[in-house]
Amino acid sequence: KAGVTQTPRYLIKTRGQQVTLSCSPISGHRSVSWYQQTPGQGLQFLFEYFSETQRNKGNFPGRFSGRQFSNSRSEMNVSTLELGDSALYLCASSLDRGYEQYFGPGTRLTVT
Amino acid sequence: GNSVTQMEGPVTLSEEAFLTINCTYTATGYPSLFWYVQYPGEGLQLLLKATKADDKGSNKGFEATYRKETTSFHLEKGSVQVSDSAVYFCALSLMFSGGYNKLIFGAGTRLAVHP
Repeated sequence: KAGVTQTPRYLIKTRGQQVTLSCSPISGHRSVSWYQQTPGQGLQFLFEYFSETQRNKGNFPGRFSGRQFSNSRSEMNVSTLELGDSALYLCASSLDRGYEQYFGPGTRLTVT
Repeated sequence: GNSVTQMEGPVTLSEEAFLTINCTYTATGYPSLFWYVQYPGEGLQLLLKATKADDKGSNKGFEATYRKETTSFHLEKGSVQVSDSAVYFCALSLMFSGGYNKLIFGAGTRLAVHP
């Protein structure tokens, strides 16, 4: 069974731009979560989607948003990029709440 | 609040040495506990998990026991290999009545194993 895939793997953007990251979960998984990883703050939860509905959101500004499609694929969007948004963005999928989460390789975003 | 505390790294060991990485947690309710491993340039891989007190998770020679009385979930391996060099994350997950679950991670512990 194919794992979680994320595209693109690397991105370089300029301050003020916006970016969209994509995540394809493991087949059959309906829950998709997003995490931000930085050297200073570590791994932080962004949001979780299940059946196209956001179930929970972490403590991030409204510039961070996401959505999930009917095939469970998910996208996250960051608008008005700031230097501090430079991070590894990880997507994880699971069957549902209470099941272990499987992570993708991440998208490395660099904001200049 | 809910949090995870891991021992600071880096941890440097010789091949075949015994490994312990300490992890303690604070949680409201009864969390599930996990160890994830991250190799350079990669995402996180689930290493092992335990869902209730006294459960022992094990995988690839690694073990961790869920200790409710000490709120701990220490990772151990009897004989490390160079290929175990990575960053290890302890994490907890809580089921809330609202129906969501999220992983709360520790800061990570870097392990370097030398031949």
